[in-house]
Amino acid sequence: EADIYQTPRYLVIGTGKKITLECSQTMGHDKMYWYQQDPGMELHLIHYSYGVNSTEKGDLSSESTVSRIRTEHFPLTIESARPSHTSQYLCASSEQGADTQYFGPGTRLTVL
Amino acid sequence: GEDVEQSLFLSVREGDSSVINCTYTDSSSTYLYWYKQEPGAGLQLLTYIFSNMDMKQDQSLTVLLNKKDKHLSLRIADTQTGDSAIYFCAEASGGSYIPTFGRGTSLIVHP
Repeated sequence: EADIYQTPRYLVIGTGKKITLECSQTMGHDKMYWYQQDPGMELHLIHYSYGVNSTEKGDLSSESTVSRIRTEHFPLTIESARPSHTSQYLCASSEQGADTQYFGPGTRLTVL
Repeated sequence: GEDVEQSLFLSVREGDSSVINCTYTDSSSTYLYWYKQEPGAGLQLLTYIFSNMDMKQDQSLTVLLNKKDKHLSLRIADTQTGDSAIYFCAEASGGSYIPTFGRGTSLIVHP
C-alpha cells in the first residue's frame, strides 16, 4: 500500500490569501509530482522533482511554486490565491526510472 | 507532443464485461498504464504493460496492446457496481519517464 499523504483534504479560502498544500511520502521515492485536475477529470502536470533541490515546471503553466528540501516532502505554495486556482491538486511520487506513480488522496481547493 | 485519447463515458450492466479503449500517438512509448480513480480519491494503479508485450492478464483485468495501431484496451470481466469509477490510460517513454495521461473514462455500472 502506498504511503503518500496530502493535507488539507479540503480548503476553502478567500482571494488574496497565501496557501501551502502539503505532500509527504514515506517510501523514500526520489521523484515527486503535482497535478491539477479539472472538474472535467483531465490531469495536468504542473510541477515535478527528481530529488532534493530539484524542481521543474510541468506542462501546464501555474502560478504556484514548489520546494524540495527533504526527500519526503514536496509542498506547493500559492502566494495570492484567486478563484481561477479552484481545482483539485494531486500529489504523486515514484522511484527513479519508469516506475509506478503512487498518488495521494488529493486536496480540493476552493477560492472564493 | 504526446497525446492520449479515451472516450469519456462507458455504461454497462452488472455482470457484463467492460472494455475501455485508449489510443496514443508517441511511437516511443515504453510503458502503458491503467489507473482507477474513485470519487474523492487519488489515482490507484490497476495494471501496466511494457510495449514489447501484446497482452497481460491480472485476475479479472485483461490488457491488450496493439503497438502497430497504438491502441490499448482494458477489459474488466464480470463488472460489478464497485467498479464504477474513472479509468485513466497513461503512457511513458524513454528519457524523463513522466507519464502522459488521457482525460479518463467514466465507467458507470447499472445493477
